[in-house]
Amino acid sequence: SYELTQPPSVSVSPGQTPRITCSGDALPKQYAYWYQQKPGQAPVLVIFKDTERPSGIPERFSGSSSGTTVTLTISGVQAEDEADYYCQSADNSGTSLVFGGGTKLTVL
Amino acid sequence: EVQLVESGGGLVQPGGSLRLSCAASGYIFNNYSMNWVRQAPGKGLEWVSYISYGSSLIYYADSVRGRFTISRDDAENSLYLQMNSLRAEDTAVYYCARDHHGSGFDWGQGTLVTVSS
Repeated sequence: SYELTQPPSVSVSPGQTPRITCSGDALPKQYAYWYQQKPGQAPVLVIFKDTERPSGIPERFSGSSSGTTVTLTISGVQAEDEADYYCQSADNSGTSLVFGGGTKLTVL
Repeated sequence: EVQLVESGGGLVQPGGSLRLSCAASGYIFNNYSMNWVRQAPGKGLEWVSYISYGSSLIYYADSVRGRFTISRDDAENSLYLQMNSLRAEDTAVYYCARDHHGSGFDWGQGTLVTVSS
């Protein structure tokens, strides 16, 4: 079955710029989405269609895509950004959706 | 404001059945495709099933195909997940999620399903 691969954890200090990657063979063909999830809460969409930012999401969140890898960048990370981040996409046929394993972002 | 409220979770024995519901409000329900996504305790998100608007397309994850059935009642603005032959590994918070026409998901708050004897 199709898989998306993310690093399990990323640790940064406030003000730094973490980049969270997500790799998958179908990413050149299928859009990627990024969700933020804080403990005890439902996920929240932060990036859609690789690079688009929903209204209400701070400008410090951005997405990029290159080949089989998509990247979520948080420019000037803040303590409130500490959360789990999941990428999501679909397989080549578009009939199976998939989430990456998640990346725990720690803001020290 | 879009609202998705899941219900129907609870404790069930292995091999048992449960039916989850998701009540949608704040938008035209029959214009949107829907999904179920689950999250086992302390684990990541796992997509479970998709149903298109009009119910013409239905997809399942391999882990639930043949045991779970997704359906919707547009007159009642509701999404359902019938879960049969439940296993311990089905224990999770189950979220319903609106597919915003390819622009990402809107999520409910989830309902907990525990499969245990």
